Amino acid sequence: GDSVTQMEGPVTLSEEAFLTINCTYTATGYPSLFWYVQYPGEGLQLLLKATKADDKGSNKGFEATYRKETTSFHLEKGSVQVSDSAVYFCALSDSGYSTLTFGKGTMLLVSP
Amino acid sequence: DGGITQSPKYLFRKEGQNVTLSCEQNLNHDAMYWYRQDPGQGLRLIYYSQIVNDFQKGDIAEGYSVSREKKESFPLTVTSAQKNPTAFYLCASSPETGRSSTGELFFGEGSRLTVL
Repeated sequence: GDSVTQMEGPVTLSEEAFLTINCTYTATGYPSLFWYVQYPGEGLQLLLKATKADDKGSNKGFEATYRKETTSFHLEKGSVQVSDSAVYFCALSDSGYSTLTFGKGTMLLVSP
Repeated sequence: DGGITQSPKYLFRKEGQNVTLSCEQNLNHDAMYWYRQDPGQGLRLIYYSQIVNDFQKGDIAEGYSVSREKKESFPLTVTSAQKNPTAFYLCASSPETGRSSTGELFFGEGSRLTVL
């Protein structure tokens, strides 16, 4: 079945540091890939997405490129802020019907 | 403002009691979903519905029930048969249905259920 593997957290960074959160996936078809973000005590929000190979999703300074050859969708940001502290979820949609398969989430903590 | 409203935000229940979590959306979305979130486990799909009066089991439906009598409402009942119901429950909706959907979901703020 489909699965998503994310690097374990927490990831602890200082403000303005470079961020990478690794995500790899297993899927039978050609999935769409997503990064969702969850701020403390809230639901999830879509951060960015890519629907086909080599697409780059970007939003709020975050980027991720859909790499079919390595089945990866790593999240990057050049300079993190304290306000980026949250849990980040990588997810895929393979079967349609919007039934997403989520990774376990990676907590990011950014200190001033 | 359009969005998804979940209530209550916090709920305490004694063992053996059923409890119903409310989810209402005014986004005019056809599809609605319930996920369960546990620490370190990510999100797991409980039930989903593509259309009124129809719903499908997700990966962990045992001990839960749902109804979809109106497009805007998708309540989840956690029954006494659910062995470990303490968790954070998230409701979501999507305007897309069918195999062409891209998978973008809009989430509510969640309901935290604690069994005493």
